[in-house]
Amino acid sequence: AQKVTQAQTEISVVEKEDVTLDCVYETRDTTYYLFWYKQPPSGELVFLIRRNSFDEQNEISGRYSWNFQKSTSSFNFTITASQVVDSAVYFCALRPRQGGATNKLIFGTGTLLAVQP
Amino acid sequence: SQTIHQWPATLVQPVGSPLSLECTVEGTSNPNLYWYRQAAGRGLQLLFYSVGIGQISSEVPQNLSASRPQDRQFILSSKKLLLSDSGFYLCAWRGDRELSYEQYFGPGTRLTVT
Repeated sequence: AQKVTQAQTEISVVEKEDVTLDCVYETRDTTYYLFWYKQPPSGELVFLIRRNSFDEQNEISGRYSWNFQKSTSSFNFTITASQVVDSAVYFCALRPRQGGATNKLIFGTGTLLAVQP
Repeated sequence: SQTIHQWPATLVQPVGSPLSLECTVEGTSNPNLYWYRQAAGRGLQLLFYSVGIGQISSEVPQNLSASRPQDRQFILSSKKLLLSDSGFYLCAWRGDRELSYEQYFGPGTRLTVT
């Protein structure tokens, strides 16, 4: 079965705190892709990062960092020194190899992050 | 650069009325296109996808339909809206770079059925 689990429904932090959003996936494919999206209050989903299953190197982009661990089937997202503008719903998604030409993505249910000033 | 447009941005329609939501993509050709619905509970539900003109696949049986009359145009329709059709509708296209499997989303249409 292909599945993405974001167990944290809502997280509330105070500005400047670090916060980690968890993502656990299930797939039998050896080749797959993982993604994170941000959905601010305006509604549009913004693509943040893609990671393929062969690249376990962690990635850092400014205050954002991603920790991909195949051994635990996790692709966690950390925001360092959070800011109010980080308040949004964050989605993790999986594209298994069998997605083929349709390229369907499997989304988690999202984590609502609220950063308080 | 590629851009994706959706309109209208918001819509309030009575039960039983027809619906037409439009999505267009610029700056790419033969994209995979997708319609999602996001209900108040926040989860994203894939409704339809299209890999080419006139090719529509439905993920969830319902009173909605989709069409792709042109390469970069994707339309979501209904003949008679239900209350349960209320939600936030998002159109997306697949990135066209090699091995670029992420989807890029439009600004969405917020539909309220009264």
